[in-house]
Amino acid sequence: AQKITQTQPGMFVQEKEAVTLDCTYDTSDPSYGLFWYKQPSSGEMIFLIYQGSYDQQNATEGRYSLNFQKARKSANLVISASQLGDSAMYFCAMREGGFGNEKLTFGTGTRLTIIP
Amino acid sequence: ETGVTQTPRHLVMGMTNKKSLKCEQHLGHNAMYWYKQSAKKPLELMFVYNFKEQTENNSVPSRFSPECPNSSHLFLHLHTLQPEDSALYLCASSHRTGLQTTGELFFGEGSRLTVL
Repeated sequence: AQKITQTQPGMFVQEKEAVTLDCTYDTSDPSYGLFWYKQPSSGEMIFLIYQGSYDQQNATEGRYSLNFQKARKSANLVISASQLGDSAMYFCAMREGGFGNEKLTFGTGTRLTIIP
Repeated sequence: ETGVTQTPRHLVMGMTNKKSLKCEQHLGHNAMYWYKQSAKKPLELMFVYNFKEQTENNSVPSRFSPECPNSSHLFLHLHTLQPEDSALYLCASSHRTGLQTTGELFFGEGSRLTVL
C-alpha cells in the first residue's frame, strides 16, 4: 500500500485565489512528520512546511498552511492568494519514526498551474 | 542559490560508459542522500550516508556505486547503465541530531541523466 497518496495529478487555479492540494498518508507509527515540497521547473525541491504528528496546531508559513486532520490521516496544503510563481510540482512527504530518521517517503506529486 | 550543488546538471551516456555525478553541500550538514526521480513515480530513496558512513542502500543495483569521502561531498558512480535508469537524480543533505528539529532535507537542483 502507498504510504503517501496525492490524488490530484494536476490543478489549474486563477491567480489570487486560494488552492488546496490533497495528501493522505498511511502509517502505524505514532511518531511521524509530514512535509510539503515545491519543485519548480529548475528541478530543485524546496521545503515549504512541516507538521509533526504530536503538534496540536496546524502549521503555517507565510501563505502556506497545512490542514492536518490526524483521524483522517490527511495533511492538505493550503496556499492563500496564489501567485504566478506558485506554478510548480508539489510533493507531500512523510518521515516515520522520531527525530534522527530523515528518510522521507514521497507522493507522486500535483502539478499546480496558476492562470493569470 | 541553493546550499546543495550538483554537477553536471545534464548528462547523456551510452550503456557502456562510466560517468559520475557529484554533489556538494555548503550547509554544514552531516547526512547526505541520493534520490531518483522518474516520470510519474514518487521519489525513490537510493542511498543514505551519515557522517560519511553508508547507513541505507535501498536495494539499488550495483551499477550505481556511491562514494562519500567526507560530510560535504557525495558521488554517484555510474557504469553499464540501462535506458530505464534515465531519470533526475537528486542529492539532499540534512542535519541529523537528537534535538528537536523538523529534519527537513535540503535538495540540489538535480542531475538529469539520459541513457541511450
